[in-house]
Amino acid sequence: QQQVKQSPQSLIVQKGGISIINCAYENTAFDYFPWYQQFPGKGPALLIAIRPDVSEKKEGRFTISFNKSAKQFSLHIMDSQPGDSATYFCAARGGAIQGAQKLVFGQGTRLTINP
Amino acid sequence: DVKVTQSSRYLVKRTGEKVFLECVQDMDHENMFWYRQDPGLGLRLIYFSYDVKMKEKGDIPEGYSVSREKKERFSLILESASTNQTSMYLCASSTGGSGSYEQYFGPGTRLTVT
Repeated sequence: QQQVKQSPQSLIVQKGGISIINCAYENTAFDYFPWYQQFPGKGPALLIAIRPDVSEKKEGRFTISFNKSAKQFSLHIMDSQPGDSATYFCAARGGAIQGAQKLVFGQGTRLTINP
Repeated sequence: DVKVTQSSRYLVKRTGEKVFLECVQDMDHENMFWYRQDPGLGLRLIYFSYDVKMKEKGDIPEGYSVSREKKERFSLILESASTNQTSMYLCASSTGGSGSYEQYFGPGTRLTVT
């Protein structure tokens, strides 16, 4: 079963607009929530991450908003640029074995920023 | 600079063939992971390893096996490839320890089984 549900599957935003991608989770034991960015032909790369003891984290134009009671978190991209066009994955830390942190990923969102 | 490399970018195999996907990391990381990426399903964990010769099943291990004989190398094996294993395969690595969550990914291998 999908433990982290991500929406929308695809998103088109005009240059300069705000892109918003949402994720919801069920397992209250999750304790770390990263977002990964993937460009065509490349592997995903960590973009920004948050722990559930804070409600918001901002890095440049990228912000994670976290709602622990609703078990939801979202990525906001302000002043979206064509270079932000990529696939974005939310994830949650699903446990660890011997220090190997297991991540559960959402389904992904293909973001297109129109110039 | 952190680097995870995968042996092939594209691979075409026939049904029933044994397939080896190789992954090498140069960061001296303890942990290595194999995922498959399918549209609409995101990344799903197949197997991971937290030390040489150690392995753990992920969420979808059926039809796959892995080998880790050296710290820097993690191999994914499809014992008898089937068409439903056509997918993008991603390898990742991470350092050990409780505070180290970032996974570094390779560029992926797109496998087609005909």
